[in-house]
Amino acid sequence: AQSVAQPEDQVNVAEGNPLTVKCTYSVSGNPYLFWYVQYPNRGLQFLLKYITGDNLVKGSYGFEAEFNKSQTSFHLKKPSALVSDSALYFCAVRGISGSARQLTFGSGTQLTVLP
Amino acid sequence: DAGVIQSPRHEVTEMGQEVTLRCKPISGHDYLFWYRQTMMRGLELLIYFNNNVPIDDSGMPEDRFSAKMPNASFSTLKIQPSEPRDSAVYFCASSSGLGTQYFGPGTRLLVL
Repeated sequence: AQSVAQPEDQVNVAEGNPLTVKCTYSVSGNPYLFWYVQYPNRGLQFLLKYITGDNLVKGSYGFEAEFNKSQTSFHLKKPSALVSDSALYFCAVRGISGSARQLTFGSGTQLTVLP
Repeated sequence: DAGVIQSPRHEVTEMGQEVTLRCKPISGHDYLFWYRQTMMRGLELLIYFNNNVPIDDSGMPEDRFSAKMPNASFSTLKIQPSEPRDSAVYFCASSSGLGTQYFGPGTRLLVL
């Protein structure tokens, strides 16, 4: 069965500093990987995805993520954090066949950007 | 594009009552998903449909939960009878093929 691990429940970073939110995954075959963000009392918002091609994926709001097949990781990054980036971030993985085609979400990482 | 629409946004009910949550997917999307989010269990997939047909309902917790999709623009998730442990935020999402899923704002359910 496929799975996603977000090892940090909470990440704190100062405004203007780079941020990283970690994600590792397990899936049979080639993965489809996603990052979503959830602001308080809102639904999940799509940030970016990796399907194939360039290992560095650029997404919304200046976020990017790097796919590393050997480490089975898909860490979310931003060069300079904003206070408005404070939110709950979810990594998700999908396989390509059978029941693996449904998204499996990680447990989420609460990002707090301190002014 | 209006995005995925869910109603009601908030629901407070008493144990034993029937609860119906509604979802209108993005026009043209052929997949629809129902999720439940709680602090304890995170985000769980309950059921998903393809072209209005239920494909996988293995995440539905009990027989008290049922979901229907009578047409391409409407789906319901029903809980009958409701229990306090059903209190959660319920999300609907839709996608074109098995691509990016787009989520609605959610229904916050409180069962007293």
